[in-house]
Amino acid sequence: AQRVTQPEKLLSVFKGAPVELKCNYSYSGSPELFWYVQYSRQRLQLLLRHISRESIKGFTADLNKGETSFHLKKPFAQEEDSAMYYCALQTGRGGGNKLTFGTGTQLKVEL
Amino acid sequence: NAGVTQTPKFQVLKTGQSMTLQCAQDMNHEYMSWYRQDPGMGLRLIHYSVGAGITDQGEVPNGYNVSRSTTEDFPLRLLSAAPSQTSVYFCASSLQGRDSPNLPLHFGNGTRLTVT
Repeated sequence: AQRVTQPEKLLSVFKGAPVELKCNYSYSGSPELFWYVQYSRQRLQLLLRHISRESIKGFTADLNKGETSFHLKKPFAQEEDSAMYYCALQTGRGGGNKLTFGTGTQLKVEL
Repeated sequence: NAGVTQTPKFQVLKTGQSMTLQCAQDMNHEYMSWYRQDPGMGLRLIHYSVGAGITDQGEVPNGYNVSRSTTEDFPLRLLSAAPSQTSVYFCASSLQGRDSPNLPLHFGNGTRLTVT
């Protein structure tokens, strides 16, 4: 069965410091991975997806199939990055856009 | 576009009561789903639908029913509420592409349900 693991419930960093939110997955098929973000008092929204190889708000994430990881990184944290981050694995090709979410990591950027 | 709209925002129920959480989207999305969010457990899929008239179970379907009579609406019914169903419920929708993965989910604002 598929599984997404985010080992850190809370990650606290200072403004300007590098950020790495860890995500590991377990899936026998070809993974489709996403990062979703929930800012305070806002709805959950897509941050980025691995297939796009994009950088959003300075964040990047590289799929490492050998380590089954999809860590989210940003070189310099900003105060507005404080939010809840969820890593998600899509497993529903041909059967819906089902996502399996990790337990989430609360990022707190301190001044 | 309003996107995904959930009502109500807050609800308190007593054990054994029934209620329906409403979800509507105006983006003509084929795929709709319900998740519950609990501390330390992330989001877990309850039920989903790939189109009108089609529904299926997710990871935690027990105690919940759904139907999809129109493309726009996907209500979630609690037939007999239990304290274990205290949670935040999110509805999400997306385009449905069998050969097009990585379609983003659009989420509603959530319904905070407390069962006493």
